[in-house]
Amino acid sequence: NAGVTQTPKFQVLKTGQSMTLQCAQDMNHEYMSWYRQDPGMGLRLIHYSVGAGITDQGEVPNGYNVSRSTTEDFPLRLLSAAPSQTSVYFCASSYSPGRGGYTFGSGTRLTVV
Amino acid sequence: AQKITQTQPGMFVQEKEAVTLDCTYDTSDPSYGLFWYKQPSSGEMIFLIYQGSYDQQNATEGRYSLNFQKARKSANLVISASQLGDSAMYFCAMREPTGANSKLTFGKGITLSVRP
Repeated sequence: NAGVTQTPKFQVLKTGQSMTLQCAQDMNHEYMSWYRQDPGMGLRLIHYSVGAGITDQGEVPNGYNVSRSTTEDFPLRLLSAAPSQTSVYFCASSYSPGRGGYTFGSGTRLTVV
Repeated sequence: AQKITQTQPGMFVQEKEAVTLDCTYDTSDPSYGLFWYKQPSSGEMIFLIYQGSYDQQNATEGRYSLNFQKARKSANLVISASQLGDSAMYFCAMREPTGANSKLTFGKGITLSVRP
């Protein structure tokens, strides 16, 4: 049981480049979300999805796109990378908005130069 | 206004002693959930404990307990018998409202260091 798998673990981008951070879960979770973690800021919600075909914006959505074509996958796209997007990105999933904790991926450390 | 407030500076505790990590929250929704997560230096996020707003009793999970004071809107984490492996960043989070479109919001975290 792999849980939540994020790839890549590390990435360096040049300003203006685009890329996709991958997130996949094998727990049949309906709820998936993307967070970014910056020093002193905690985790801030970028986008989330409550099921295939349904996505919504979180606290800091600008510069990021998401789609949810399957229950398992929830990729995060950086359209034109900026140094302000240097951060650690976490994907998380949950079976339902109930008592259970969210399962987090191991994170992607992204540096934009 | 912040939804989750964690204002303690870095916390220190002696091994085998208990420690309380503070968390206050702000919501007008009667239905919400409160979480605590641990993030060790390796970076992964580890779920510790959950408290629902309608739960009659404080949540406990092994050495972790949540001191839930609804009227004060506080959800403090108590770690008993601290161990060296408890040294980590701890995040309080709130999900509101509970339901299909709920969001999980995190505080800024508290660093705990356990001294031998």
